Amino acid sequence: GQNIDQPTEMTATEGAIVQINCTYQTSGFNGLFWYQQHAGEAPTFLSYNVLDGLEEKGRFSSFLSRSKGYSYLLLKELQMKDSASYLCAVIPEDYQLTFGKGTKLSVIP
Amino acid sequence: TAGITQAPTSQILAAGRSMTLRCTQDMRHNAMYWYRQDLGLGLRLIHYSNTAGTTGKGEVPDGYSVSRANTDDFPLTLASAVPSQTSVYFCASSDSGGTTGELFFGEGSRLTVL
Repeated sequence: GQNIDQPTEMTATEGAIVQINCTYQTSGFNGLFWYQQHAGEAPTFLSYNVLDGLEEKGRFSSFLSRSKGYSYLLLKELQMKDSASYLCAVIPEDYQLTFGKGTKLSVIP
Repeated sequence: TAGITQAPTSQILAAGRSMTLRCTQDMRHNAMYWYRQDLGLGLRLIHYSNTAGTTGKGEVPDGYSVSRANTDDFPLTLASAVPSQTSVYFCASSDSGGTTGELFFGEGSRLTVL
């Protein structure tokens, strides 16, 4: 089976930096996604990593280490609108995207 | 641009009744998926279709069936609903020929089975 772990909840202050970690043990690996999901809405794509290293996209960055089965999502200059759940998802060898349970981030003033 | 349209948005259903959740995409994506999302359990794959005419079982397929008669439509049917099928259901699609296989989600269908 597939196992993807991420913290259940995190709280951070507006303007700060927060790192959301994700560890995975899957049958094979073909890429890792991060999605953002605001309460009551559909998930939306944030980032994709398939090779080791850091992918930067504006205030958001995502890092991958395949040897460690580890990824993180880094959010800089936090804004209130960043309060949402962040979903880590892995493509295993059968190519069926598998999601972690999500991390609920609360940004406080 | 519509993207993915799901219907109904929400529904209350008596246990034992049948129900079909509709999903239509206008992006001509090859692959389509149905997920359910439950508090504390995250998104779990029910069924998928890699191309029109083919379907496959995901992590939690029991009690659900799907069909893929054409590229655009991927309905999900509950033949005899049970309370444990109370959930939010998301349909998604991806262009399997794309660079990342990014999923595009519909807005969700909230189903309550009493």
